[in-house]
Amino acid sequence: AQTVTQSQPEMSVQEAETVTLSCTYDTSESDYYLFWYKQPPSRQMILVIRQEAYKQQNATENRFSVNFQKAAKSFSLKISDSQLGDAAMYFCAYGGSQGNLIFGKGTKLSVKP
Amino acid sequence: KAGVTQTPRYLIKTRGQQVTLSCSPISGHRSVSWYQQTPGQGLQFLFEYFSETQRNKGNFPGRFSGRQFSNSRSEMNVSTLELGDSALYLCASSRGEPLGNTIYFGEGSWLTVV
Repeated sequence: AQTVTQSQPEMSVQEAETVTLSCTYDTSESDYYLFWYKQPPSRQMILVIRQEAYKQQNATENRFSVNFQKAAKSFSLKISDSQLGDAAMYFCAYGGSQGNLIFGKGTKLSVKP
Repeated sequence: KAGVTQTPRYLIKTRGQQVTLSCSPISGHRSVSWYQQTPGQGLQFLFEYFSETQRNKGNFPGRFSGRQFSNSRSEMNVSTLELGDSALYLCASSRGEPLGNTIYFGEGSWLTVV
């Protein structure tokens, strides 16, 4: 069975600084996708970024980028130029052959002004 | 275009009652899945429906059921409610392709069981 682990329950970053959220996963599948979702206090899950496992190039979406290390089964999220609106729970998720997402426990990110 | 819509947003039920939650997917999306979010267990997959058929199921008791209609709208039902069923129930939709779907979530339905 696939598992997703986020080892940082909470993180804090100063506004305008950079922060990296960690995620590791375990799978025996060769084809899969990885996602980062943001859940603000409104509790709606918002897709931040997705990565196809077959792509070596790391995905980037504006201030958000990932460091995907397939051999190490690591998928970290880097947020550059952090903004107050980035404060939220961040979930790493695995999407494989079953179609559903498997989530990590989440990392609560605080942004200090 | 409109996102995933869930109703009701908030509800309070008594132990032993049943509840039905509704979800309208993004237009053109044929897959609807449901997740339960609790502080203790995190986000857990309940089931997925595609073209009116349950395609995948998580590890939940039979009290949790769902269905999908021909317009892709979905409902989930929980019978004989227990206190532990108090949770945020998130509906999500996607195109339903075999692999690599981007899954979009609704705002959730908050269920409190008293």
